[in-house]
Amino acid sequence: SQKIEQNSEALNIQEGKTATLTCNYTNYSPAYLQWYRQDPGRGPVFLLLIRENEKEKRKERLKVTFDTTLKQSLFHITASQPADSATYLCALGNTGGFKTIFGAGTRLFVKA
Amino acid sequence: DVKVTQSSRYLVKRTGEKVFLECVQDMDHENMFWYRQDPGLGLRLIYFSYDVKMKEKGDIPEGYSVSREKKERFSLILESASTNQTSMYLCASSITGQGRAIHEQYFGPGTRLTVT
Repeated sequence: SQKIEQNSEALNIQEGKTATLTCNYTNYSPAYLQWYRQDPGRGPVFLLLIRENEKEKRKERLKVTFDTTLKQSLFHITASQPADSATYLCALGNTGGFKTIFGAGTRLFVKA
Repeated sequence: DVKVTQSSRYLVKRTGEKVFLECVQDMDHENMFWYRQDPGLGLRLIYFSYDVKMKEKGDIPEGYSVSREKKERFSLILESASTNQTSMYLCASSITGQGRAIHEQYFGPGTRLTVT
């Protein structure tokens, strides 16, 4: 069955460093991959979408890579800030379908 | 800004009760979704709707039903609540792009339901 794996252990980093989160998937060939941010007690908020024919996408301090051979996406936050502390979810889907599969998320803590 | 609202932030119900969760979006989105989120399991799709009166089962529809009588409103119904339905319930909406291209989903704040 389709499976998305995100590191279940929290990631702790120092302010100013680059945070790198990993999303691996199996038994799936997604047309796109999305990253969402979720704060405690709130719904996820969309951050970035990258399509299968794109290797990398950037938005301000965020960078996402998508390697369909390795079946992996990396999500980077450069110059991290305590306000970046949250859970980050990756999600996969296919064009023409409505079902998006979400990972369980990785919790990021940025220390001042 | 897109706004997705849910009728309650917290809800406590007894086993066997019929429970209604309401979701309203204000951006004329075609698609609406209901998920539940449990620790370590991620978001799991219960039902979705791509048009008024249209619905499709997601991955875990058992014990739930939905209703979409108006484009902006999508209701989730627990026919007879059970303790294993204690969870965070999240509603989302999205547009359908050209060629059914996928767009991001906009989520509501969630309803934390406890069934005792």
